[in-house]
Amino acid sequence: GAGVSQSPSNKVTEKGKDVELRCDPISGHTALYWYRQSLGQGLEFLIYFQGNSAPDKSGLPSDRFSAERTGGSVSTLTIQRTQQEDSAVYLCASSRDGMNTEAFFGQGTRLTVV
Amino acid sequence: AQKITQTQPGMFVQEKEAVTLDCTYDTSDPSYGLFWYKQPSSGEMIFLIYQGSYDQQNATEGRYSLNFQKARKSANLVISASQLGDSAMYFCAMKGNQGGKLIFGQGTELSVKP
Repeated sequence: GAGVSQSPSNKVTEKGKDVELRCDPISGHTALYWYRQSLGQGLEFLIYFQGNSAPDKSGLPSDRFSAERTGGSVSTLTIQRTQQEDSAVYLCASSRDGMNTEAFFGQGTRLTVV
Repeated sequence: AQKITQTQPGMFVQEKEAVTLDCTYDTSDPSYGLFWYKQPSSGEMIFLIYQGSYDQQNATEGRYSLNFQKARKSANLVISASQLGDSAMYFCAMKGNQGGKLIFGQGTELSVKP
């Protein structure tokens, strides 16, 4: 696709349920990032993929959070047993290899846990 | 560990004036890339400008320029001739020399007054 695509754009879920957030990066981009942004706050790094492997998953807040990437393309962020504090906008970005390549962002998934 | 610090939670500037948004960073990587992004109220993340640590000249992109002071580990964004549409959150970000993890500062909210 032309840009980074995230789905769903909005998700309301009940506390305790599991959710899956999807990210389709720009074709050919080997690096993929997930961030969490609470209202009016900065971007909290969650996990970074290079191809299908995750060299850095240090930002995942707890073992309820997991992510995978398949075929060097689509990534899924899964949150199990959601809590109200998980409510935020989840942003995905992708970039080509290299220190000097900017990341392109999707529009985000707004997650609300009720 | 890498760290980005933006010390100005909010800034005001008069339309048509110039404004400087501060960013300091910390890294042990010998080379790295620095980025600035704009996030309007719509939520999208827009890439503005890039500076490589070994670039001899400060980066410029239209009304945006980056005041890069390597010894001070600072990479301030200068916006000249501010416009009302510049009102947004601005984030400074950094990638290390492995071209991997991209981390962000907490952001500065810029308000342009007519």
